[in-house]
Order: sequence, then C-alpha cells, then structure tokens
Amino acid sequence: QKEVEQNSGPLSVPEGAIASLNCTYSDRVSQSFFWYRQYSGKSPELIMSIYSNGDKEDGRFTAQLNKASQYVSLLIRDSQPSDSATYLCASSQGGSEKLVFGKGTKLTVNP
Amino acid sequence: GAVVSQHPSRVICKSGTSVKIECRSLDFQATTMFWYRQFPKQSLMLMATSNEGSKATYEQGVEKDKFLINHASLTLSTLTVTSAHPEDSSFYICSARDPQGALYEQYFGPGTRLTVT
Repeated sequence: QKEVEQNSGPLSVPEGAIASLNCTYSDRVSQSFFWYRQYSGKSPELIMSIYSNGDKEDGRFTAQLNKASQYVSLLIRDSQPSDSATYLCASSQGGSEKLVFGKGTKLTVNP
Repeated sequence: GAVVSQHPSRVICKSGTSVKIECRSLDFQATTMFWYRQFPKQSLMLMATSNEGSKATYEQGVEKDKFLINHASLTLSTLTVTSAHPEDSSFYICSARDPQGALYEQYFGPGTRLTVT
C-alpha cells in the first residue's frame, strides 16, 4: 500500500510568520506531487504542483521536493489568518492517474 | 480555467432511496474523473476512477452495485448512491483531469453533502 504521511498538527503560527508543512511518501516511482488547501466544509483546492527536485515558488508559497529522501514540503511566507485550513499532500501513484492523499495538516494562523 | 461543478451541493434523503450526483467539467473536456468520499475529520478516500465511454474502476472495498458511476460524455460523470443508508452519509467530491493541463493535476468540484435519514 503506497502511503503519504503528514503530521496531522494542528500547526499554529502567528500572522506574518513562515508556516512549514511536511510530507513523506513511500512510492519511489511517484513523479508528481501536489499540495491542496481545504477549508472546513469545502472541497480541496490545488495550490501547488511540483515534479522536479528543488524548489518551486508561487507567490507566498514555495514547494520543495527531495526525491532521494522521498520528502515534500510547503512553505507559506507571511502567513495570513486566511491561510488557516487543512493542507493535503498528494502524490501520483506509480504511473497511474490516481493520487494518494495524506491525512492533512491543520494550520491555524493567529492574528 | 479547470473549473469543475457538482450538483446538488447538499441533499437529504430517506433510507432506502437513491440519490444521483452530477459532476461537470465546465471549461475543458475531462477524459478521466474521480469520485471521492470524505468523512468528518478524515482525509479523502478514492472510491472510483471514471473514464469516458467505459466502465468505472472501483477501489477495493467499494461496492460497485451500490455506487453506480456513469461517464457518458467528456464533461459529465454521475454517481448514483442506490438504496442509501445512514452510514452512506458523507461528503462526496468529484475531481477531473484536464488532459491539456499539467501531468496528473486534479481539479475538485465543490462537493455534495449527503445526509441519509
């Protein structure tokens, strides 16, 4: 069973700080990785995808991928209260179109 | 782009009845759609993968005769929960892949909250 592991949190940071979310995956064949944000009672929203080792930046968000360590992270700079949500990490499942999701990390940004 | 809609957003039905949920890709043609279920405070559970013009592929433990999936066109997939029971109450979410988009990216619909009384 291919797995994606996340710290369930909750992770609490003050407004303006950097929030760091981490994820590990077990399937060495996985090539594609995603971060989704899910507000309470809503469906997930894609915020970042990353396919190559290294960093990928999009506004306040930076995704980091290390395939050797099977590790993906998401950094949120200048965290805002509106960033408070559950963040889901997902990886493609060995060449199939299916995604494997972690259980999510709940982030709270305190004003 | 990559907008996915779902209808209805919320439905309450009596035990033993059937409920149909529609998932539409609004601005792209989705050859593949996915159906997920999410219970409170739990992560997404993939139920099935739906390919246009062919039978859906169900995940292990998901009853295909209970959760009927039809993907009749490149923009519409439906999930019918047959003979619903209270334990089927959940948040059902579809997603779709845009074949012209980035590899394996899935875009989610807003979800359907089903309550079976």
